Amino acid sequence: AQSVSQHNHHVILSEAASLELGCNYSYGGTVNLFWYVQYPGQHLQLLLKYFSGDPLVKGIKGFEAEFIKSKFSFNLRKPSVQWSDTAEYFCAVKKGFKTIFGAGTRLFVKA
Amino acid sequence: DGGITQSPKYLFRKEGQNVTLSCEQNLNHDAMYWYRQDPGQGLRLIYYSQIVNDFQKGDIAEGYSVSREKKESFPLTVTSAQKNPTAFYLCASQSGGDLYNEQFFGPGTRLTVL
Repeated sequence: AQSVSQHNHHVILSEAASLELGCNYSYGGTVNLFWYVQYPGQHLQLLLKYFSGDPLVKGIKGFEAEFIKSKFSFNLRKPSVQWSDTAEYFCAVKKGFKTIFGAGTRLFVKA
Repeated sequence: DGGITQSPKYLFRKEGQNVTLSCEQNLNHDAMYWYRQDPGQGLRLIYYSQIVNDFQKGDIAEGYSVSREKKESFPLTVTSAQKNPTAFYLCASQSGGDLYNEQFFGPGTRLTVL
């Protein structure tokens, strides 16, 4: 079945550590890719998105993601995490009107 | 402020009762969506609507119903036919159907069936 897979369900890091969250999808053809973030007690919000052009996209708060078409991947990265990055992160793929979300990765950053 | 409101924030229901969750947006978006969020399962699409008076079933529509009589409103009814309704429900909207448009989300309603 077509899906969006996030490799880690829970990640614990210390402040200043580097972050990489994996995301793979199984949809063919043209897709648009998103990372959303849900901070504790807040709405789900857009972190960054890719739809064409440079496969390395930059988002808010120092996050970036790289689209690798041959690997069907869209991994999220941040060179140095902060305590305030503690949140749940969702990778999503858009096909037409529908957006398909991964299961999410809960990130906890230790101060 | 433009945004999406959902009410109530918490909802308790007895088994066998229908309940309606409210979703209103003032972003002038054409498309609206309902998702169900369960731990470890991400967001699963229940119903979506691209325009007023039109809606389509998502991946887990059984036991749910919706209406879209106004552009700004997309209420979700959880019926007694839904086998496991306890969950966190998120409403979202999107401007048009362009592939690069992201969705905007409401704060959610946590439904608990007693």
